[in-house]
Amino acid sequence: QKEVEQNSGPLSVPEGAIASLNCTYSDRGSQSFFWYRQYSGKSPELIMFIYSNGDKEDGRFTAQLNKASQYVSLLIRDSQPSDSATYLCAVNGRAGTALIFGKGTTLSVSS
Amino acid sequence: SQTIHQWPATLVQPVGSPLSLECTVEGTSNPNLYWYRQAAGRGLQLLFYSVGIGQISSEVPQNLSASRPQDRQFILSSKKLLLSDSGFYLCAWATGVYNEQFFGPGTRLTVL
Repeated sequence: QKEVEQNSGPLSVPEGAIASLNCTYSDRGSQSFFWYRQYSGKSPELIMFIYSNGDKEDGRFTAQLNKASQYVSLLIRDSQPSDSATYLCAVNGRAGTALIFGKGTTLSVSS
Repeated sequence: SQTIHQWPATLVQPVGSPLSLECTVEGTSNPNLYWYRQAAGRGLQLLFYSVGIGQISSEVPQNLSASRPQDRQFILSSKKLLLSDSGFYLCAWATGVYNEQFFGPGTRLTVL
């Protein structure tokens, strides 16, 4: 059973701090990794994806991938109250056509 | 730019009634299409995916079915709803080489 694990949280950070969200996956053959943000009652929104070991930056967001440790993380710099949401980690699955999602980490940014 | 539509936005149905949810994508051709369900307190569960017209793969055996009658149209159906079918139904599309998926606004289904 291929799995994606995330700490459910809630992760609470003050405004302006760095939020660090973590994800581990079981399928060593996974090739691409995704972070989605989901506000309460809304559908998931793709923030960024990564497929090579190392860091990938996009504005205030940085995705980090370590395939040897089967570990993906998302850093959010200068966290804002509007970043308060559930963050879903997803990993590409069988034949690259299906994503396997974690259950998500709830982030709360206090002003 | 690409747009994905789902309707209806919310639906309340009695147990045993039929279901039809529709998803359409604009601004792209030959997308992979997906149906997910998100139940309260649970993660996203892939129900069906399609790589082309008439091609449907089922991930979870259940009382739901899917069809793709046109390139950019994906339909989720049931002949008789169960209480356990309640949830947030999401359609998604993908065309990129890394299979990055983009979700529609979703349909919130409550079965009573």
